[in-house]
Amino acid sequence: DSGVTQTPKHLITATGQRVTLRCSPRSGDLSVYWYQQSLDQGLQFLIQYYNGEERAKGNILERFSAQQFPDLHSELNLSSLELGDSALYFCASSVATGGPLYPQFFGPGTRLTVL
Amino acid sequence: SQQGEEDPQALSIQEGENATMNCSYKTSINNLQWYRQNSGRGLVHLILIRSNEREKHSGRLRVTLDTSKKSSSLLITASRAADTASYFCATDNQAGTALIFGKGTTLSVSS
Repeated sequence: DSGVTQTPKHLITATGQRVTLRCSPRSGDLSVYWYQQSLDQGLQFLIQYYNGEERAKGNILERFSAQQFPDLHSELNLSSLELGDSALYFCASSVATGGPLYPQFFGPGTRLTVL
Repeated sequence: SQQGEEDPQALSIQEGENATMNCSYKTSINNLQWYRQNSGRGLVHLILIRSNEREKHSGRLRVTLDTSKKSSSLLITASRAADTASYFCATDNQAGTALIFGKGTTLSVSS
């Protein structure tokens, strides 16, 4: 158990809909990262927050947005969903910013299925 | 864009044998990390090796880094069935702001 929690575990929704994925980092970790994992694209970095502020952006679509709240939990919002958004979404946390310089601790993921 | 690339894509061995996976990357790095993922589950950090280190050990794991060849290898000694998983290397992107993962090596250890 990494100490990172994600809810929900599974999510099934329809095209055009909007969903929110939630992540709570390990106690003491200030950085939260979001990743998307699909069979064709592999594991793709989406976005990083550090202590409530956006720090780095990866391959995140404009239809996706995220935020980190004062209690350090984070939410990833996916809107106007398409079939191709079906994937595993992981949240990870680390003790500091400077993402690549520290180990990241991953949550169990949310499996999103768009029908 | 992909930075690290693992080789081989898949590896099947018997329990007790050693497993070696390789990772090549394109641009200079600050460090390189290896992660394990059991089917459909979250990634687990295994080891981090900094660019000024050449070798690092953790239990049955041995990681080497050759910055001149832009490559790293992960050796798992005396493999067990529980080592069956996908293994990913990850390096920093050129801006140093994010981890970029390779596509992984799928290791299957049979008893």
